[in-house]
Amino acid sequence: AQTVTQSQPEMSVQEAETVTLSCTYDTSESDYYLFWYKQPPSRQMILVIRQEAYKQQNATENRFSVNFQKAAKSFSLKISDSQLGDAAMYFCAYRTPPTSGSRLTFGEGTQLTVNP
Amino acid sequence: SAVISQKPSRDICQRGTSLTIQCQVDSQVTMMFWYRQQPGQSLTLIATANQGSEATYESGFVIDKFPISRPNLTFSTLTVSNMSPEDSSIYLCSVEASGSYNEQFFGPGTRLTVL
Repeated sequence: AQTVTQSQPEMSVQEAETVTLSCTYDTSESDYYLFWYKQPPSRQMILVIRQEAYKQQNATENRFSVNFQKAAKSFSLKISDSQLGDAAMYFCAYRTPPTSGSRLTFGEGTQLTVNP
Repeated sequence: SAVISQKPSRDICQRGTSLTIQCQVDSQVTMMFWYRQQPGQSLTLIATANQGSEATYESGFVIDKFPISRPNLTFSTLTVSNMSPEDSSIYLCSVEASGSYNEQFFGPGTRLTVL
């Protein structure tokens, strides 16, 4: 079974600064997807960024980018120019391939605080 | 992305009763899932709702406790049966549509409190 580990229960960053959230995972599969989701106090899960395991290039979405190290099974999220609206719980997630049911396994989450 | 609604958004129930949660999507989707998020914790997959057949449950979840229906490609229900305070959680529906770049989108969740 796959496992996802987020070793930072809480992180804080100053507004306009950069912060990196860590995530590691364990799998024996070669075809999979990785995601970062954001959950603000409204509890709505919002997809931040995705990475296909077969792609070597790191995904980027505006101020959000990932550092995907497949051999090390590491998938960190970098938030640049942090904004107050970035404050939320961030979850790293592993998705199995369709042949295994496309199931998501989530990490424990990292609570991000953005200080003005 | 798909627009997903859940009903009810929250409920307070008595021990021993059952609650059915509805998930409605604004377009046909291939995959629908139900997750549980216990207070202060991460999300755990309960089951995959299969259209026209029995749901596929994850380890630790059983059909008698969490019966699921999926009568068509836009709708599913999750029932929490014979509830106890330990069932107090947020229950979330998610969907994955073909051609969606393998992304799953989540509903707003149902906050359940069992007294």
